[in-house]
Amino acid sequence: AQTVTQSQPEMSVQEAETVTLSCTYDTSESDYYLFWYKQPPSRQMILVIRQEAYKQQNATENRFSVNFQKAAKSFSLKISDSQLGDAAMYFCAYRSPKGGAGSYQLTFGKGTKLSVIP
Amino acid sequence: DVKVTQSSRYLVKRTGEKVFLECVQDMDHENMFWYRQDPGLGLRLIYFSYDVKMKEKGDIPEGYSVSREKKERFSLILESASTNQTSMYLCASSPHRTWGGQPQHFGDGTRLSIL
Repeated sequence: AQTVTQSQPEMSVQEAETVTLSCTYDTSESDYYLFWYKQPPSRQMILVIRQEAYKQQNATENRFSVNFQKAAKSFSLKISDSQLGDAAMYFCAYRSPKGGAGSYQLTFGKGTKLSVIP
Repeated sequence: DVKVTQSSRYLVKRTGEKVFLECVQDMDHENMFWYRQDPGLGLRLIYFSYDVKMKEKGDIPEGYSVSREKKERFSLILESASTNQTSMYLCASSPHRTWGGQPQHFGDGTRLSIL
């Protein structure tokens, strides 16, 4: 079974600075998908960024980028120019691409609570 | 935009009651999911459904059941609520596509307290 580990329960960053959230995962598959989700306080969980394992290029979405190290099974999220609105719980998630009902599942890490200091 | 609507943001029930949590999505998605979110434990999958009347157990199905009579609606049922089921419950949906990169879309969550 796949596992996803987020080793930092809490992080903080100064406004306008850069912060990196860590995520490692365990899988025996060679092809899969990785996601970062953001859950602001009392608000809906939304997708931040996704990465397809067969793509070597790291995904980027505006101020958010990932450092995907497939051999190390590492998928960290970098937030540049941090803003107050970035304060949230961040969850790393893994999905297998294999067919069958089970492939639709996401396996989530336990989350990292990010605080942004004005 | 995809909209996933959960019927209640906050719910308080008593031990032993039968509790229904409702979720509706408006994007004709085939897949729907129920998660439980607890501090320090992240999200854990309770049940999911990939088609009407179809359901699959997730990681923690004990004490729960689900119903999907219509494509847009997925209900989570606590047959006899217990205090250890006090939690935040999240519903999500996603389309049935061959591309595994399709994200799940989440509702706002229902914070359920069992007294």
